[in-house]
Amino acid sequence: AQKITQTQPGMFVQEKEAVTLDCTYDTSDPSYGLFWYKQPSSGEMIFLIYQGSYDQQNATEGRYSLNFQKARKSANLVISASQLGDSAMYFCAMREYRAGGTSYGKLTFGQGTILTVHP
Amino acid sequence: NAGVTQTPKFQVLKTGQSMTLQCAQDMNHEYMSWYRQDPGMGLRLIHYSVGAGITDQGEVPNGYNVSRSTTEDFPLRLLSAAPSQTSVYFCASSWPGHASEAFFGQGTRLTVV
Repeated sequence: AQKITQTQPGMFVQEKEAVTLDCTYDTSDPSYGLFWYKQPSSGEMIFLIYQGSYDQQNATEGRYSLNFQKARKSANLVISASQLGDSAMYFCAMREYRAGGTSYGKLTFGQGTILTVHP
Repeated sequence: NAGVTQTPKFQVLKTGQSMTLQCAQDMNHEYMSWYRQDPGMGLRLIHYSVGAGITDQGEVPNGYNVSRSTTEDFPLRLLSAAPSQTSVYFCASSWPGHASEAFFGQGTRLTVV
């Protein structure tokens, strides 16, 4: 069963506008972490932001914020004031934990969303 | 500070050949993983390890072997290459901590002809 779903294969946004990239997940574990990574055309994987399942507030890192809706099992990435350099593939990922907080270490990824920022 | 180092960056194999993709990290991370990236399928987990001497299968383990004799190294072996194994391979490492991000190598682009 697909654990991480990114339903937008491609998204377009105008420079300086905000954009939301969708991510839904499926888990029965009450303890998990959600991550977003950026992959530019050069191919490297860049960590952007993290949200823990018990975090009370939405995570923010500069222009990146995570719209975490636990009941809906969604963890959408919001990029504010888009820049041309934001054009890349974006991956949502989830790490589930064994009860007691010990991480398996396994990170499950979605299919990715290609974001294109237009000038 | 090298982080996660993968070699080689590019490789072309003939069907049936074997090879080893190397991965080394210098951050003393306990967890290491191998992923393959194919268009439209995201990153799929091949094998992972939670420490030296401990490995387990991921989502797509067939045709690949791993071992973890040291904390630093986690090589991925292709036993008999097939065209279906043409992909980009990423090695990643992390702490087992609650919010630990995974650090990725630069990737290996493998083509099997």
